Amino acid sequence: QQQVKQSPQSLIVQKGGISIINCAYENTAFDYFPWYQQFPGKGPALLIAIRPDVSEKKEGRFTISFNKSAKQFSLHIMDSQPGDSATYFCAASMSFGNEKLTFGTGTRLTIIP
Amino acid sequence: DTGVSQNPRHKITKRGQNVTFRCDPISEHNRLYWYRQTLGQGPEFLTYFQNEAQLEKSRLLSDRFSAERPKGSFSTLEIQRTEQGDSAMYLCASSLIWTGGRNEQFFGPGTRLTVL
Repeated sequence: QQQVKQSPQSLIVQKGGISIINCAYENTAFDYFPWYQQFPGKGPALLIAIRPDVSEKKEGRFTISFNKSAKQFSLHIMDSQPGDSATYFCAASMSFGNEKLTFGTGTRLTIIP
Repeated sequence: DTGVSQNPRHKITKRGQNVTFRCDPISEHNRLYWYRQTLGQGPEFLTYFQNEAQLEKSRLLSDRFSAERPKGSFSTLEIQRTEQGDSAMYLCASSLIWTGGRNEQFFGPGTRLTVL
């Protein structure tokens, strides 16, 4: 059972544009939603994370928007740069107990000049 | 570098052989997780430790897989009688769990296993 659905599978954005990646979850017990960035041959690196008590969190060029009623959250990358070209994963977990991360299937982002 | 380290980075083995991977977490992190990532997919949870205790194993972890974390420091993941379906990237992550409930997991670079 895929508990976190991510779209699109791939995305091409021009340099300076806004990249938007969407995720939807099913388990209402999830209360921690991180985004990870992964370059080829490397492990995932934590980018930004949000909890459901806020609807938006911004860190530099990266913003998470969270819609608790719709069970959806998204990553916005402003002023996208070639160095942002990577695979992005959304994830979800519960704060207590296991705290294991359930990942989406990933979005391969390519920023073109 | 004080991040999570994993060794080896790459392992090629023949079907039926045993392999062992090592993960060194961030110092003083009390939680250690193992995930498996296949091509084009997100990481999938395998098992986790709090200190030296293994607290949960995924159904993905067949009886050919065993993990240990002696003394609550580094961890090893062993796969016995490897199969071609075991070919994947094996990722280790660590976190510091305290009463504030932080979830931040920091991943290592992974060990890529190829079973011929």
